Formats: sequence, C-alpha cells, structure tokens
Amino acid sequence: DIQMTQSPSSLSASVGDRVTITCRASQSISTNLNWYQQKPGKAPKFLMYVASSLQSGVPSRFSGSGSGTDFTLTISSLQPEDFATYYCQQNYSPPFTFGPGTKVDIK
Amino acid sequence: EVQLVESGGGLVQPGGSLRLSCAASGSGFSFSTYWMNWVRQAPGKGLEWVANIKPDGSEKFYVDSVKGRFTISRDNADKLVYLQMNSLRAEDTAIYYCAGAMIQGGIMVQHWGQGTLVTVSS
Repeated sequence: DIQMTQSPSSLSASVGDRVTITCRASQSISTNLNWYQQKPGKAPKFLMYVASSLQSGVPSRFSGSGSGTDFTLTISSLQPEDFATYYCQQNYSPPFTFGPGTKVDIK
Repeated sequence: EVQLVESGGGLVQPGGSLRLSCAASGSGFSFSTYWMNWVRQAPGKGLEWVANIKPDGSEKFYVDSVKGRFTISRDNADKLVYLQMNSLRAEDTAIYYCAGAMIQGGIMVQHWGQGTLVTVSS
C-alpha cells in the first residue's frame, strides 16, 4: 500500500500569510494526487486534483504542485475562511490512502 | 444541484451488522458514470478511504482492514450505493461519508455527502 505523509501536522498563521503544506508519497504516484479542506463538523471539500488543477469554484489563492513523490499545497494569502484541516490523497492505486492532515489555525 | 445523502448509521454491538445507504439526486447528475466511494473518519481522527465501486459495478476495491467484512454495491437505476458492514468492531466507529467522483474531458468532479455516524459499542 502507498503511505502518505504530510508536514507540518499543524501550523499557526495570520490572515494574509503565505502558507505551504507538503505531502509525500511512499512511492511514485505521478500526479495522481487530490487535496481536500475540512472544517470542524463538516464533510471534506474537494479542492484540487492531478496535483495542481483546481476544482470549479475554488479560489485562485490555492495552488498545487509536484509529481512523483513530493507535492505541495500553497495558499498565497490566507483568508479567515481558510482556517481548516487539509488532507492529501493519492488516487494512483487502491487503497486510495489519505495523508494524516495538516491543521491550519489562527496565530 | 447534486446531493448525496447517507443513511443507516446507528449504534450496533461488536460483531453485529449494519447496512449504510447513499442516495444521489440532482438534475444532470449521471450517477452511472461516477465511481462511488465510502470514506470514514473516526472521532477526532483523519480521513480513511474504505471502499469504492466502478460505475458499472464490475470492480470493487477495499482497504485491507475491512476486506471480507464489508461489501460495497450499487443500484444505478435508483441512484443508490450501499455499504454492507458485517462483523463490526469498535475500531469501525466513525462517521461514514459517501463520495462520488467522475472524470470527463480531463476534469474531475467530486460530490460528498454529509456523513452518517456508526458507533460500535456494547
């Protein structure tokens, strides 16, 4: 099975900050990577696919990059509604494992 | 607007069974073109992908921890997907989300339900 790791596990940031979250796969997954945002008590929200393509309606301050084993999610200017937990997920081969999540909270 | 609504969760004793359902609705939602997934989240924990099923139902995949105990199925005519859960364990306690995914013209679309809570406890 492909293992997914994320760093950091949590971070504190201020509105307007640039934030970068890293996701790493235990083997190459090409660009078969999704990103999700989840707020407390809510279902996950699909943000991005094939590592860098934004889901319709997702603000352009979100961007993604990477291929192979190393990926990043960047929020260029953090907004109040962006405080949440972010998960990566590989959809290269089953089981389609998620990373452990990165919690972004207010500094 | 597409909606996925899960049902069937509840309290069950260890070793018991439960069947979850997910009903899809919405104009223009071609259910039969979507891979359907079940994803769970234990209290205070992260997301765990559980199972999925091909649009025509011909292939199914599971995480190792549920193989032989859980079965995913679908009814394309009624736009339903199921998760039959047998031999339930305390560690299966979680919110179970139904999620549909489809790629068309290189664009991926996903829809998620709001989840149903399964509690396995004596």
